[in-house]
Amino acid sequence: KQEVTQIPAALSVPEGENLVLNCSFTDSAIYNLQWFRQDPGKGLTSLLLIQSSQREQTSGRLNASLDKSSGRSTLYIAASQPGDSATYLCAVGDPYSGGYQKVTFGIGTKLQVIP
Amino acid sequence: DGGITQSPKYLFRKEGQNVTLSCEQNLNHDAMYWYRQDPGQGLRLIYYSQIVNDFQKGDIAEGYSVSREKKESFPLTVTSAQKNPTAFYLCASRPNSSPTVYGYTFGSGTRLTVV
Repeated sequence: KQEVTQIPAALSVPEGENLVLNCSFTDSAIYNLQWFRQDPGKGLTSLLLIQSSQREQTSGRLNASLDKSSGRSTLYIAASQPGDSATYLCAVGDPYSGGYQKVTFGIGTKLQVIP
Repeated sequence: DGGITQSPKYLFRKEGQNVTLSCEQNLNHDAMYWYRQDPGQGLRLIYYSQIVNDFQKGDIAEGYSVSREKKESFPLTVTSAQKNPTAFYLCASRPNSSPTVYGYTFGSGTRLTVV
């Protein structure tokens, strides 16, 4: 059974800092990995999707990497801003479930960027 | 703009009452999902549907029911059999084609509280 862990559970940084959020998973045979952002009381917004054959994806100040062999993904946020404050979740797609594509979510890292 | 609309945003249920949460999408996505989110836990899958008139139980389907009469709509009914329904409910969708390319799109959620 796939398990997804995100450490730390919460992180507080001053504005302008570069930071890294971590996601680890127990089964390295994955379909893909997706990073989401969730604001309080809101739904999830997709940030980046990495296919199992890819090593990284970039969007603006965000860069996500994937190392399947070690069961890890990192989300790098450059030059953090107060508007980046949110909970960041990672979700791993199961390759064994065909078109349904079972997904296992982490609990998330709650980020606070202090002005 | 295309997206997923969940309504209502807040819902209060009395003991022994059934309530229905609405989820509508205009993304022309084939697959739709219902997740439950509780504090300190990752999202858990309740039901999913890959095509119209077909749906499958997820990991925590007991006490819930769904229907998929139209491609655009996937309502979730929380029945009186669900003993602990207070949670944040999220609807998501994804196209069946090219599953390795597309990730999830989520709605903004419905917060259900038992009173």
